[in-house]
Amino acid sequence: GAVVSQHPSRVICKSGTSVKIECRSLDFQATTMFWYRQFPKKSLMLMATSNEGSKATYEQGVEKDKFLINHASLTLSTLTVTSAHPEDSSFYICSARELKRFHFGNGTRLTVT
Amino acid sequence: DAKTTQPPSMDCAEGRAANLPCNHSTISGNEYVYWYRQIHSQGPQYIIHGLKNNETNEMASLIITEDRKSSTLILPHATLRDTAVYYCIGDLAGNTPLVFGKGTRLSVIA
Repeated sequence: GAVVSQHPSRVICKSGTSVKIECRSLDFQATTMFWYRQFPKKSLMLMATSNEGSKATYEQGVEKDKFLINHASLTLSTLTVTSAHPEDSSFYICSARELKRFHFGNGTRLTVT
Repeated sequence: DAKTTQPPSMDCAEGRAANLPCNHSTISGNEYVYWYRQIHSQGPQYIIHGLKNNETNEMASLIITEDRKSSTLILPHATLRDTAVYYCIGDLAGNTPLVFGKGTRLSVIA
């Protein structure tokens, strides 16, 4: 079945550095992908919509200059957390729709020290 | 998207049926009822969806009331691996993202 692959699954970085997270649709094309963030014991919160070949759209309160999204092909979207700070530590999840259902990556746990 | 209401938590004995309710009284006529679950530290997983009729697949059954204001997800023989947060979501099946509520934390107990 359709799979969304997310990499890395876990990353620890120092405050002030940038981290790139990749999301790939493995056997289907996704013109749109979605990025979520999840804090401990909370639900998934939509951050942004990644559109192939055009700019991403961000939810209210999400800084577009801090969370850079690139959707350069029909199977790859990347989220770069720039100048990361401890408050950016979270679980980041991507998703894409194929036919009538969404597929999700297994998430990236980011810890900023 | 319809607002959904689910109990925050439920327990179920291993091997028994788990019945997870969801209220979606504001669901529109063309909105599907979707169920996803999230096992700890993983991405959400699709379970089942339906519009009007009851549905069954290898994972679960979905019972939707005739007025479509509520539904029940049934895991017929719950196992410890079914312990997860279960989300009931109204979705138009278009290109809009899923909006997650708080879901129901199901604990399957040995």
